[in-house]
Amino acid sequence: KNEVEQSPQNLTAQEGEFITINCSYSVGISALHWLQQHPGGGIVSLFMLSSGKKKHGRLIATINIQEKHSSLHITASHPRDSAVYICAVRGYGGATNKLIFGTGTLLAVQP
Amino acid sequence: ETGVTQSPTHLIKTRGQQVTLRCSSQSGHNTVSWYQQALGQGPQFIFQYYREEENGRGNFPPRFSGLQFPNYSSELNVNALELDDSALYLCASSVGTGISYEQYFGPGTRLTVT
Repeated sequence: KNEVEQSPQNLTAQEGEFITINCSYSVGISALHWLQQHPGGGIVSLFMLSSGKKKHGRLIATINIQEKHSSLHITASHPRDSAVYICAVRGYGGATNKLIFGTGTLLAVQP
Repeated sequence: ETGVTQSPTHLIKTRGQQVTLRCSSQSGHNTVSWYQQALGQGPQFIFQYYREEENGRGNFPPRFSGLQFPNYSSELNVNALELDDSALYLCASSVGTGISYEQYFGPGTRLTVT
């Protein structure tokens, strides 16, 4: 079982819909990241959070540390939001700030 | 734009060959991590370099090695390439190893081993 699980794996939405992507993790973490990866590979960090909620434009990320769960919401979705959304966590301790990644959610927003 | 660049963009090698992938971090970023992303999977941590020393390693064999240079560039070397090494290789840099430091990813190098 992966330490970071995402759902759904694939998601198709119509333009304007409200979208939710979920992430559950089984390890203790010091931070959780939501990242966006477009075809071709480049990864962009959307959020880094360790508690509560963050909002940037149409994107909202929440985390519940007790339940080991985070959600990424996209309001008023647009075709340009089509990408792979990846949840990644950083554990406690250790010398590195390495990330443990989920397998990603492939989002397609249709016009 | 994250300010992190990687070269080459794509590369095709033959099984048994050696390959060197390069990453150029933002100025001041003394930490670089390398990840391997197989098709349809999330990235897997290979190793991290901090101030030119390896300070952590994932579950990858010794034929995966790296270097970090004072000019904020780094290399990932893979010897005796195997077919399963075909993947997207990503580097990510940050100003340190602390939990509050954002990681900035490069665009990746797609390696195909035939």
